[in-house]
Amino acid sequence: GENVEQHPSTLSVQEGDSAVIKCTYSDSASNYFPWYKQELGKRPQLIIDIRSNVGEKKDQRIAVTLNKTAKHFSLHITETQPEDSAVYFCAASIYNQGGKLIFGQGTELSVKP
Amino acid sequence: NAGVTQTPKFQVLKTGQSMTLQCAQDMNHNSMYWYRQDPGMGLRLIYYSASEGTTDKGEVPNGYNVSRLNKREFSLRLESAAPSQTSVYFCASKGDSNEQFFGPGTRLTVL
Repeated sequence: GENVEQHPSTLSVQEGDSAVIKCTYSDSASNYFPWYKQELGKRPQLIIDIRSNVGEKKDQRIAVTLNKTAKHFSLHITETQPEDSAVYFCAASIYNQGGKLIFGQGTELSVKP
Repeated sequence: NAGVTQTPKFQVLKTGQSMTLQCAQDMNHNSMYWYRQDPGMGLRLIYYSASEGTTDKGEVPNGYNVSRLNKREFSLRLESAAPSQTSVYFCASKGDSNEQFFGPGTRLTVL
């Protein structure tokens, strides 16, 4: 089955710097890749997603890139702010096959003022 | 709209006890999911229901059972709780888009 590896497990940046989180997946049939943000004690919430027919997607300060050949995708956050501090999870799934997501282990991002 | 709701919020069980975690959604979504979250391991899928009347195993189904009671409700049952089932449990639902909407979670401790 699908396996998703996420790195790094923790990331500390200064406010205003960029942050990059990377994930690799194993199943070449996976074609949907969401990123979730989870604040302390809260539920995960979708922040951005990408499908395999697109190489990059951007939404204001966040962007996701996908390399299907290498089977990896990355989350980029620019101009980080303290409110970006949270745990970020990547996931992979096969679109329209029950929608089940396989998650990475998570990255705890800390943005220092 | 309440979105996805879960009960209870917290629960403490003794080894061997049973309990049912309840989940309901009011978004008319077809698909529902149960995940557990443990430190350093992300969210792992326990069971899911792609549509009313169907259920399937996820990554870690052992020790759990589920019931899709109707389109709104999807329950998770622990028949004989074990300390290894201490975790935070999240229910989620999905409609026609790919986005999964999560409930607030249930924090379960098994002593």
